[in-house]
Amino acid sequence: GAGVSQSPRYKVAKRGQDVALRCDPISGHVSLFWYQQALGQGPEFLTYFQNEAQLDKSGLPSDRFFAERPEGSVSTLKIQRTQQEDSAVYLCASSDLGETQYFGPGTRLLVL
Amino acid sequence: AQTVTQSQPEMSVQEAETVTLSCTYDTSESDYYLFWYKQPPSRQMILVIRQEAYKQQNATENRFSVNFQKAAKSFSLKISDSQLGDAAMYFCACFPLLTFGTGTRLTIIP
Repeated sequence: GAGVSQSPRYKVAKRGQDVALRCDPISGHVSLFWYQQALGQGPEFLTYFQNEAQLDKSGLPSDRFFAERPEGSVSTLKIQRTQQEDSAVYLCASSDLGETQYFGPGTRLLVL
Repeated sequence: AQTVTQSQPEMSVQEAETVTLSCTYDTSESDYYLFWYKQPPSRQMILVIRQEAYKQQNATENRFSVNFQKAAKSFSLKISDSQLGDAAMYFCACFPLLTFGTGTRLTIIP
C-alpha cells in the first residue's frame, strides 16, 4: 500500500471494555512497531515484530495489552479491561529491515 | 539504556527565517542512527531527516539540515527559510530501539 494505515482513527471505550486496534503496514515491510503516545509526550515503544515473530514486548505496560501479527502483515493491538490511564494515541510504524520507520496516522483511544 | 533529550519545549520563528532545534542523546550502541520526525496537528509522524552515526558528513534534505556532533552526543536540526507548513511538533529519535525525545513545538510567525 501507499502508506501505513490504522483503524479505527478514533475509539471511545467505557472503562472495562476490550478494544482492538488494527495496523496495516506498508506492503513488503518486514518490521512492525507499536507505540503509545500520551498527550504532550513523545511516542513510547510498546512492542516490535519481525514478520510474524514478536521479538520484543518489553514496552507493554501490563498483561492487559496483547499484540499479534499472525501472517506477518496486518497487526492487531488488543487492550483488555481498559482503564482510564490507557487513553492515548496508539501509533503503528513499519520498516523494511532498515532503520527508518514509517508511521501511520494513529488511533486515538479515549477511555471513559 | 538509551535517552533522548529535547530541552526546548517550544520555539517560534518568523516566516523565511532560520531556526535551530536542539537534541542531545545517550546510547551505549556503537552503531546507531538519529532521526528528526515532524508531527503536525493531524498527528501523522513524518520523517524529516536521518543521520547514520558512522558518517561524519551532516545530512541535508532541502531546507533541513543537521549539525551532528558525535563526541558531544548532540544532533540539532536547522530549518532554513521557514514556511508556515513547517509548524508542528518536532521529535528527535535514536535507533536502535527507537527512543524519542519529548518534542519541540515549532510555531511559524507570518
